[in-house]
Amino acid sequence: DGGITQSPKYLFRKEGQNVTLSCEQNLNHDAMYWYRQDPGQGLRLIYYSQIVNDFQKGDIAEGYSVSREKKESFPLTVTSAQKNPTAFYLCASSDWTPNTGELFFGEGSRLTVL
Amino acid sequence: QKEVEQNSGPLSVPEGAIASLNCTYSDRGSQSFFWYRQYSGKSPELIMFIYSNGDKEDGRFTAQLNKASQYVSLLIRDSQPSDSATYLCAGISGGGADGLTFGKGTHLIIQP
Repeated sequence: DGGITQSPKYLFRKEGQNVTLSCEQNLNHDAMYWYRQDPGQGLRLIYYSQIVNDFQKGDIAEGYSVSREKKESFPLTVTSAQKNPTAFYLCASSDWTPNTGELFFGEGSRLTVL
Repeated sequence: QKEVEQNSGPLSVPEGAIASLNCTYSDRGSQSFFWYRQYSGKSPELIMFIYSNGDKEDGRFTAQLNKASQYVSLLIRDSQPSDSATYLCAGISGGGADGLTFGKGTHLIIQP
């Protein structure tokens, strides 16, 4: 089945630690995205990538890093510089064209800082 | 700055009635709009999208777009308790390469 797989689903981190969230898709989509969602809030864009070996900062990129070495994979690292990392992280992909651009989401990763 | 605004609710609707969810946007260049449903603790799932002025119907759902007023709505007919969720409105503009801009969502409660 085609889709997006995120792992882990739940992650606990101590302050000062870096953690990496995995995102893999087999939809053959060029574009991939990372969003962050806080309770009662909408989705905010962290990073996005339209093509392998290229990515762009979104609205809240500080304290995060990404890589796009393969079309299928777009891992997100939450660094110790991110001051408030506890949140629900959503990876998405899209075969976007103007007037469409539907995002397909993974099941999400919930990060809690202890 | 692209912004999408939604009333956070909660919006409470009796079972079987019509639920009306509204959304406004600031970017006149926005081309397409998406409605996602999100159950608590789960990822968003697409209900429908619209890019032309007017109405678009899909089963119990109707999306409405008025570009002159920068207004998007979602109507849910014959509301069911399973429709209780948060509904996210999102817009796309320009080339769309930077994904969608999301509103904060409206929490809908269908009362049995």
